[in-house]
Amino acid sequence: QPVLTQPPSASASLGASVTLTCTLSSGYSDYKVDWYQQRPGKGPQFVMRVGTGGIVGSKGDGIPDRFSVLGSGLNRYLTIKNVQEEDESDYHCGADHGSGSNFVFGGGTKLTVL
Amino acid sequence: EVQLVESGGHLVQPGGSLRLSCAASGFTVSSNSMGWVRQAPGKGLEWVSVIYAGGTTYYADSVKGRFTISRHNSNNTLDFQMNSLRPEDTAVYYCARVTSISWSYYFDYWGQGTLVSVSS
Repeated sequence: QPVLTQPPSASASLGASVTLTCTLSSGYSDYKVDWYQQRPGKGPQFVMRVGTGGIVGSKGDGIPDRFSVLGSGLNRYLTIKNVQEEDESDYHCGADHGSGSNFVFGGGTKLTVL
Repeated sequence: EVQLVESGGHLVQPGGSLRLSCAASGFTVSSNSMGWVRQAPGKGLEWVSVIYAGGTTYYADSVKGRFTISRHNSNNTLDFQMNSLRPEDTAVYYCARVTSISWSYYFDYWGQGTLVSVSS
């Protein structure tokens, strides 16, 4: 099954842009990845799905336009423009492996807003 | 508005049992697919189980044969029976609704989680 790799941490200054990366293991370049935001002490929230062609489907409820995605090769990116304090969260990527019979997640990236 | 509220988590001894429940509002559990995802302290997310609208269930290898997912249609709840609990099952357990795009599934709404601690 695929392994999803995320850097454990990232930081961005207030008002700047930041790009988070989720890297699929070799052989899974056609996989779509789902991004989830998890604010401190809260349950995750679906952000959006990304494939090599960009966003797949719609963003999750309440996700601002500042959030966008791109996909290239084995990498799936989540970019946040004009970073706000409320964006400080853990960001997880996940994927369906097996048409709904198995799901995998990356280790998550903790985004700190400076 | 879709809401999911988990309950039932607490401290249990190794080998013990626990039943989690997830109360849904804003949609009908029996007509949707649902799942459980857990997060050990300081760790990432780990998928545990899913039940599809048609009744098909799947489990992660780590819990297969010990945990059972089910729906309580009259209460509009998702249940999770956890038997033979081990210390490595210690985690916050999240209930989530499952949806799909072209037969590829993801979790579109999540609860706030309930903590299960397995320790003597």
